[in-house]
Amino acid sequence: SQTIHQWPATLVQPVGSPLSLECTVEGTSNPNLYWYRQAAGRGLQLLFYSVGIGQISSEVPQNLSASRPQDRQFILSSKKLLLSDSGFYLCAWAGEDDEKLFFGSGTQLSVL
Amino acid sequence: GESVGLHLPTLSVQEGDNSIINCAYSNSASDYFIWYKQESGKGPQFIIDIRSNMDKRQGQRVTVLLNKTVKHLSLQIAATQPGDSAVYFCAENINFNKFYFGSGTKLNVKP
Repeated sequence: SQTIHQWPATLVQPVGSPLSLECTVEGTSNPNLYWYRQAAGRGLQLLFYSVGIGQISSEVPQNLSASRPQDRQFILSSKKLLLSDSGFYLCAWAGEDDEKLFFGSGTQLSVL
Repeated sequence: GESVGLHLPTLSVQEGDNSIINCAYSNSASDYFIWYKQESGKGPQFIIDIRSNMDKRQGQRVTVLLNKTVKHLSLQIAATQPGDSAVYFCAENINFNKFYFGSGTKLNVKP
């Protein structure tokens, strides 16, 4: 069966520090991968999606970047965090032939 | 940007009653919709989906209705239980690879 791993669960970082959140998927190959951000009490905003290794599409201009160095690995990064980067970050995947979107457990990021 | 919205931010129902959560979408090209349940501090969980060539789909205690004429989607939960308390999101799939979410409805189930 397929599983998605996302870590860390919580993270507190100072303004101006770098960020690296990692997400891996098991039990499937060539998944579509996604990063979403959720502000407190709000909906999910699509940040990035990837249909293959090295293929990244950005939805909104922002202080973050994404990379996909391996088929089942998706990384969210920032060189210098801003206060506005705080939020709940969710990684998700969808199968190549299955449109259902499955989410990881999320990372609560607090930038102070 | 997102084109999916919800009519009510919070819905309170009595345990055992039926719940109806509504969602409006604006992109007529959307051909696939999903309802998700999100408990506090967790990632959203898939509940049920429906394609645009269907009007209704039923699962275990849940039914999704799609009205393409008015671009409206609803989730019906039968015999609501305390464990159903959560935030519910509808999401639409545009261009296969992109999913856009509404702002969510918080369901409170009163014992």
